Amino acid sequence: GENVEQHPSTLSVQEGDSAVIKCTYSDSASNYFPWYKQELGKRPQLIIDIRSNVGEKKDQRIAVTLNKTAKHFSLHITETQPEDSAVYFCAAVISGSARQLTFGSGTQLTVLP
Amino acid sequence: DTEVTQTPKHLVMGMTNKKSLKCEQHMGHRAMYWYKQKAKKPPELMFVYSYEKLSINESVPSRFSPECPNSSLLNLHLHALQPEDSALYLCASSQDSSGANVLTFGAGSRLTVL
Repeated sequence: GENVEQHPSTLSVQEGDSAVIKCTYSDSASNYFPWYKQELGKRPQLIIDIRSNVGEKKDQRIAVTLNKTAKHFSLHITETQPEDSAVYFCAAVISGSARQLTFGSGTQLTVLP
Repeated sequence: DTEVTQTPKHLVMGMTNKKSLKCEQHMGHRAMYWYKQKAKKPPELMFVYSYEKLSINESVPSRFSPECPNSSLLNLHLHALQPEDSALYLCASSQDSSGANVLTFGAGSRLTVL
């Protein structure tokens, strides 16, 4: 069925290194791709989003790239810091879910000091 | 006000109890949502209200009963729950229910069913 796949499920990086998380989606009509960060015991919070008329978007150390032809999008975090440690969820609007956001399975990012 | 407020933060209930979760937003958003989140899993959509009317019910058991008294408030009434219903219940809101809008989440109500 229609879904969003996210990899890797866990990612450990040294402080200062870059981290990349990838998602693929199946619905070619999807046009909105947000990324949420959820720290332990906290609410999911939007960190960046991209719409299908744009290929890349940056906000300081965070960037998202979108390849509509291949139906995948990626989150890039540069110069990682310990406070970047959290679970990151990608999401996309999927036809089969009444056109609501469907979340990927999540990536636990750990930034080692 | 740019927040979604949920009460209570924690709730412990027996399988025969009746309780309610409450959610409030004052951002003028016309769509409100209930999500269920198990540990180490993504949020799962339960219900969507659009302009105070229930627009989506993702095949949720009838022991969960949503209510939207007005455009700022959303309740989730709980009755005869099972231990497997223990989870974090997240409320969210967005400008509308088109799916292509930013979701603002509340801090959640952590429910334990004994």
